[in-house]
Amino acid sequence: QLQLAESGGGVVQPGRSLRLSCAASGFSLSSFHMHWLRQAPGKGLEWVAVISNDGVTIVDADSVKGRFTFSRDNSKNTLYLQMNSLRVEDTAVYYCAKEEGSSGRAGWFDPWGQGTLVTVSS
Amino acid sequence: DIQMTQSPSTLSASVGDRVTITCRASQSISSWLAWYQQKAGRAPKLLIYKASNLQSGVPSRFSGSGSGTEFTLTISSLQPDDFATYYCQHYDSYPVTFGQGTKVEIK
Repeated sequence: QLQLAESGGGVVQPGRSLRLSCAASGFSLSSFHMHWLRQAPGKGLEWVAVISNDGVTIVDADSVKGRFTFSRDNSKNTLYLQMNSLRVEDTAVYYCAKEEGSSGRAGWFDPWGQGTLVTVSS
Repeated sequence: DIQMTQSPSTLSASVGDRVTITCRASQSISSWLAWYQQKAGRAPKLLIYKASNLQSGVPSRFSGSGSGTEFTLTISSLQPDDFATYYCQHYDSYPVTFGQGTKVEIK
């Protein structure tokens, strides 16, 4: 069974840093582009970034550009999101998701992890 | 960025009703559209990809249609398990964006 499990969320003060992890099981992460998405409390879904299967290509949203970095360790089947200079507006549940589709476009997402809550507050 | 607009934002319906949710893109996205279902406190679940392809394991009462800028998600006969929030997502280009969601409530 394909599963993703995020960890590392918590409460952090504005301006501080936090690192999230996303562990994959039931499939090899190295074969897939992977995405981070987030959902602020009571709000809709926001795409954050994609990291290519080999970790070479990263595309991220303007809202996190220059503050968040993305990496992966395919040997550990794990994805990472390093969040620096956190803002109150970064408060959200953060999800990792596997990309599906091979059209050369961005893809759709399946499955998603269960999410991890990041709260940025003083 | 491509904007996705869903309507309605909230929909009240009864078990057995036929339900239709509309998603409009601010520019043509061909058939590069997916639909998700999200229940409270849970991760989104893929229902439909490439506008009309049913994801494996999803009940056949769900269907998707459309191309270009206008798309619909239809639930042919609403079941108790279907009360949730539904999102469309384009994947024509980066950044991918989602509609604001449609909450399907019990009437």
